[in-house]
Amino acid sequence: DSGVTQTPKHLITATGQRVTLRCSPRSGDLSVYWYQQSLDQGLQFLIQYYNGEERAKGNILERFSAQQFPDLHSELNLSSLELGDSALYFCATHPGLADTGELFFGEGSRLTVL
Amino acid sequence: QKEVEQDPGPLSVPEGAIVSLNCTYSNSAFQYFMWYRQYSRKGPELLMYTYSSGNKEDGRFTAQVDKSSKYISLFIRDSQPSDSATYLCAMSGGYSSASKIIFGSGTRLSIRP
Repeated sequence: DSGVTQTPKHLITATGQRVTLRCSPRSGDLSVYWYQQSLDQGLQFLIQYYNGEERAKGNILERFSAQQFPDLHSELNLSSLELGDSALYFCATHPGLADTGELFFGEGSRLTVL
Repeated sequence: QKEVEQDPGPLSVPEGAIVSLNCTYSNSAFQYFMWYRQYSRKGPELLMYTYSSGNKEDGRFTAQVDKSSKYISLFIRDSQPSDSATYLCAMSGGYSSASKIIFGSGTRLSIRP
């Protein structure tokens, strides 16, 4: 158990809908990363927050947004969902800036868009 | 061209064999190189971490980095069925690259008893 909690574990929704995925970091971890994992694309970096501020952006669609709250938990919002958004969404956290790549992953939220 | 390329496998070997997993990359700014292991329906967990070129050994696992060739490897000796998982390489450039940690697509490994 990494200590990183993601909810919900599974989510089934329809195209055009909006969902929110939540990540609670390990105690004291300031950095939160969001990744999307699909069979054909591997683990794709979406966005990183550090202590409430956006720090780095990857291949995140405009329909997706994220934020990190003062208590350091983070939410990833996915809107106008399409079939292709079906994937595992992971958050990963680290005490500092994690530039060295040592991340602690949650168990993921599996999103199915029908 | 992807920044990090990794053969997706699957790779199936008998128990006790030596396993070699590899990644190539194109970004010469990468300085930190990691291997993560991901069991089915679980999040990835850090297995090995190396800075710059060279070798690092941890038990049955050895990580090698050749920055001149932009090539990294993970060797598993005396492989066990419990090593069956997907192995992902990951790289980052450190502070100068704004914290982007880039993952390979993963190699699915199966160890046959």
